[in-house]
Amino acid sequence: SYVLTQPPSVSVAPGKTATITCEGNNIGGKSVHWYQQKPGQAPVLVISYDLDRPSGIPERFSGSNSGNTATLTISGVDAGDEADYYCQVWDSHTAHPYVFGGGTQVTVL
Amino acid sequence: QLQLQESGPGLVKPSETLSLTCTVSGASISTIPYHWGWIRQPPGKGLEWLGSLYNGGRTYYNPSLKSRVAVSVDTSKNQFSLKLTSVTAADTGIYFCARTTSTGSYFDYWGQGALVTVSS
Repeated sequence: SYVLTQPPSVSVAPGKTATITCEGNNIGGKSVHWYQQKPGQAPVLVISYDLDRPSGIPERFSGSNSGNTATLTISGVDAGDEADYYCQVWDSHTAHPYVFGGGTQVTVL
Repeated sequence: QLQLQESGPGLVKPSETLSLTCTVSGASISTIPYHWGWIRQPPGKGLEWLGSLYNGGRTYYNPSLKSRVAVSVDTSKNQFSLKLTSVTAADTGIYFCARTTSTGSYFDYWGQGALVTVSS
């Protein structure tokens, strides 16, 4: 089945920019969605369809997708952004339509 | 406001069957074209999709678990359920129920999760 690879961890200073990558074979041809998960909580969607922000998600969260890499960018990071982030793709033409990346733990220094 | 709530035993013995129910409130589970699914998360690890159902009972499953997993619906109670057979310690984790969007592309509503431990 399709494999998504994320870095296990990213560290960023407050006010700086965090960049989280999600690599997959020709992922630019798929729609990528990103979730934020804080300890003890369910995941929350922060980006859908590569770059769309759901209602209530700050503009500091943005996404892009091209080639073999999708990227979630969090600008002006604050302590409240410390969480695990997961990318996910959907392919209705396969037997395993929902695939998640392994997750990236974002630490705010 | 749509809400999902998982319920079921928190402890299951090895080789037995894990059973969980997701109760949906705020919307009908029969509403087309939404899909309803189960996702799990082993302790300290990532998310894994297990299976989903739609359109009153049509199902599809993660191929790696297909022989052990079953998802069913009870529209009269607005619930859907998960059964995972022949469990081992590797099946320990938090189990989430969730709804996908009308396009089926991502999960827009999640339950809070239920911790299931497999141990004798």
